Amino acid sequence: RKEVEQDPGPFNVPEGATVAFNCTYSNSASQSFFWYRQDCRKEPKLLMSVYSSGNEDGRFTAQLNRASQYISLLIRDSKLSDSATYLCVVNPGEYSSASKIIFGSGTRLSIRP
Amino acid sequence: GAVVSQHPSRVICKSGTSVKIECRSLDFQATTMFWYRQFPKKSLMLMATSNEGSKATYEQGVEKDKFLINHASLTLSTLTVTSAHPEDSSFYICSARVVGTDTEAFFGQGTRLTVV
Repeated sequence: RKEVEQDPGPFNVPEGATVAFNCTYSNSASQSFFWYRQDCRKEPKLLMSVYSSGNEDGRFTAQLNRASQYISLLIRDSKLSDSATYLCVVNPGEYSSASKIIFGSGTRLSIRP
Repeated sequence: GAVVSQHPSRVICKSGTSVKIECRSLDFQATTMFWYRQFPKKSLMLMATSNEGSKATYEQGVEKDKFLINHASLTLSTLTVTSAHPEDSSFYICSARVVGTDTEAFFGQGTRLTVV
């Protein structure tokens, strides 16, 4: 089983739609979780961290379910500019800047006019 | 946010030659940096963890003699692809975290290597 698994998509939705991605992780001791966004041929950029209590940033909502070992990302009122690949990222190790992080394979999202 | 600069952004080299990629943390110190490679439409795969002043830690299946990593200072790590072959063509990205934190990883811009 992969350490971090995502539905690769692609998700092709109309502008204004709500879209949700899920990601599962295998290590129950994982410490921290993030969603990154990667545009074509660019480096990944942090979209948002995922907190145990769930968190929201504008149109984006992230949630963590430790019992089921999954995290989710919800995008409301999607914009054309949301088209990108969304990477689920898990830090399986102890709290440390040296602990490596594991990327999911990414979910491709395409917003159509 | 913190800035990580990676150079070059794009390189084309002949098969059999070596290519050096630099990764610099511009406004913070990074005792640890990470090197990833990414094939088209695939995820980032961690190749190795670069540790300042000591040997790098390589992931399983990554040849340490093929991908030489040097982390000589708190702001610079280099990855050298030795005797490059066409199958080494890929997108290589470095990242680092601010020392003492478990926050986001900051990424270099990436280097697109094409071996002909």
